[in-house]
Amino acid sequence: SAVISQKPSRDICQRGTSLTIQCQVDSQVTMMFWYRQQPGQSLTLIATANQGSEATYESGFVIDKFPISRPNLTFSTLTVSNMSPEDSSIYLCSVLTGGGYEQYFGPGTRLTVT
Amino acid sequence: DQQVKQNSPSLSVQEGRISILNCDYTNSMFDYFLWYKKYPAEGPTFLISISSIKDKNEDGRFTVFLNKSAKHLSLHIVPSQPGDSAVYFCAARSTPGGFQKLVFGTGTRLLVSP
Repeated sequence: SAVISQKPSRDICQRGTSLTIQCQVDSQVTMMFWYRQQPGQSLTLIATANQGSEATYESGFVIDKFPISRPNLTFSTLTVSNMSPEDSSIYLCSVLTGGGYEQYFGPGTRLTVT
Repeated sequence: DQQVKQNSPSLSVQEGRISILNCDYTNSMFDYFLWYKKYPAEGPTFLISISSIKDKNEDGRFTVFLNKSAKHLSLHIVPSQPGDSAVYFCAARSTPGGFQKLVFGTGTRLLVSP
């Protein structure tokens, strides 16, 4: 398994501003992911972040809105840019381990945009 | 197109009884399945997984059954405890050809009453 921490745990932000969410893992992992869970919805993959390469974004998500950094094998950041109330969600960091089959999640960052 | 479906949004069970959570999928390429438990304001916690080469996997009180021909899997919790009250997500991926993203169901809220 992996122990994953995220900062901040929650935030309330004003429309038009940006927030950077940090994800720290207690071991080196190749693949890290960022998910979003909107109220009452399932988990949606935003992008896959691999160290040393550009993040791969899912359909409906773009780099200008959700820039991602992955400077090393234990850390990643996700920025939510130019926020609107529709961005109010829980943002989750996730890593792949267990031989590439099991996937673990961080505690999440609860974002509210007013 | 919802490739992983959890048709029961909620389930209520008495403490000590069996909880059965169901999940159906449509993509025949899925070959690895995972169950997660999620408490409010926390990230999903990995519970148990199963490969398509098996039809059952057991871990303590949790057992997952896979019926490939019916494209159906279920999670059994025996005996159910009040602390099991949470939202349960089923997830699936296909592994041939390299990593494929996890596809999540919409979740089932389990309430275990004393």
